[in-house]
Amino acid sequence: SQKIEQNSEALNIQEGKTATLTCNYTNYSPAYLQWYRQDPGRGPVFLLLIRENEKEKRKERLKVTFDTTLKQSLFHITASQPADSATYLCALPTGNQFYFGTGTSLTVIP
Amino acid sequence: GAVVSQHPSWVICKSGTSVKIECRSLDFQATTMFWYRQFPKQSLMLMATSNEGSKATYEQGVEKDKFLINHASLTLSTLTVTSAHPEDSSFYICSATRGGLNTEAFFGQGTRLTVV
Repeated sequence: SQKIEQNSEALNIQEGKTATLTCNYTNYSPAYLQWYRQDPGRGPVFLLLIRENEKEKRKERLKVTFDTTLKQSLFHITASQPADSATYLCALPTGNQFYFGTGTSLTVIP
Repeated sequence: GAVVSQHPSWVICKSGTSVKIECRSLDFQATTMFWYRQFPKQSLMLMATSNEGSKATYEQGVEKDKFLINHASLTLSTLTVTSAHPEDSSFYICSATRGGLNTEAFFGQGTRLTVV
């Protein structure tokens, strides 16, 4: 069955450092992969989409990589700030549906 | 970006009653809408996919008669939790896409349902 896993349920880092979150999937061959941010009690907010033929995508302090051989995506936040503290979810499409990873809760410590 | 509005944002109901949650795409026509359920500190679990004018497609393990979904127009989908029980208490979130390939999903604010 299809499975999406994200690294460690919680990640704490010092302000200014780079946070790296991992999304691994099995039994999938997604044409693209998305990353979302979710704050407590709110719906997820779209951050980035990366296609299977793209190795890397950047948006301001965010960087996403996509390795279809390893079946893995890495999500980086550089120069992290306390305001980046949230849960980050990766999502993969199957047909016209989206399935979400388990999520990683990031806390940036001032 | 596109806006999806979900209503109500929270609701408390008595066990045995039914609750309706609305999901509206405010500035675009949503070909497809999705309903998710999220328990505390867990990820979103897809419940069903609804296309305008047709019956919803439910994920395995989701009771169709329990969670009624209606997608009457391109801007409105509703989820009705029938005969609610305390175990139905959860955070329900809808999302919508504009259709086409490689599109992002736009999420509602979510509805916190508490059944007492």
